Amino acid sequence: SQQGEEDPQALSIQEGENATMNCSYKTSINNLQWYRQNSGRGLVHLILIRSNEREKHSGRLRVTLDTSKKSSSLLITASRAADTASYFCATESGGSNYKLTFGKGTLLTVNP
Amino acid sequence: DAGVIQSPRHEVTEMGQEVTLRCKPISGHDYLFWYRQTMMRGLELLIYFNNNVPIDDSGMPEDRFSAKMPNASFSTLKIQPSEPRDSAVYFCASSLVAGFQETQYFGPGTRLLVL
Repeated sequence: SQQGEEDPQALSIQEGENATMNCSYKTSINNLQWYRQNSGRGLVHLILIRSNEREKHSGRLRVTLDTSKKSSSLLITASRAADTASYFCATESGGSNYKLTFGKGTLLTVNP
Repeated sequence: DAGVIQSPRHEVTEMGQEVTLRCKPISGHDYLFWYRQTMMRGLELLIYFNNNVPIDDSGMPEDRFSAKMPNASFSTLKIQPSEPRDSAVYFCASSLVAGFQETQYFGPGTRLLVL
């Protein structure tokens, strides 16, 4: 079963606008990561936030984590057409097994 | 520096045939992961290896699927016999070492179509 669930499933915006995607998960985590997938390509890591962090920035990306609500958000500011892709959150819950569990993703379309 | 390499990129086969997917991880990475992606089920972890040893194969759908990692630079995922419901994109990924902060590097995927 999926640990992370992204919301919305699809998002369409105009170039220059901000895009916000949300991720909710069910069990406690060690870290949460966001990945991007361009059509027909593999996933590319964007940013990682640890369970003891609340906010993290990387360029035009801003990620927040609320462990009390078991949720995270990814904000892309000043979006560009090249940001068009699917975005996935992935959680790592630790324990004896080291593996990431991915959500089904948000398809972001940035219209020029 | 080459990333994760997968071959073939596309595979079309008929039901009942054996399919072998190949992966070369990034040199020096100790972990290798096989995923399957479909519209219905999203991205599913099938199996992962640490230092060539399978650690968790709980995601392998059934006995028709098998994976091996004979050395640190090569892994295969085999489906025998293949069925139409196996049609999906199969990704291989690798990561450096164990730890809670490690990211995974994905290959371009193999798009499999079983007719």
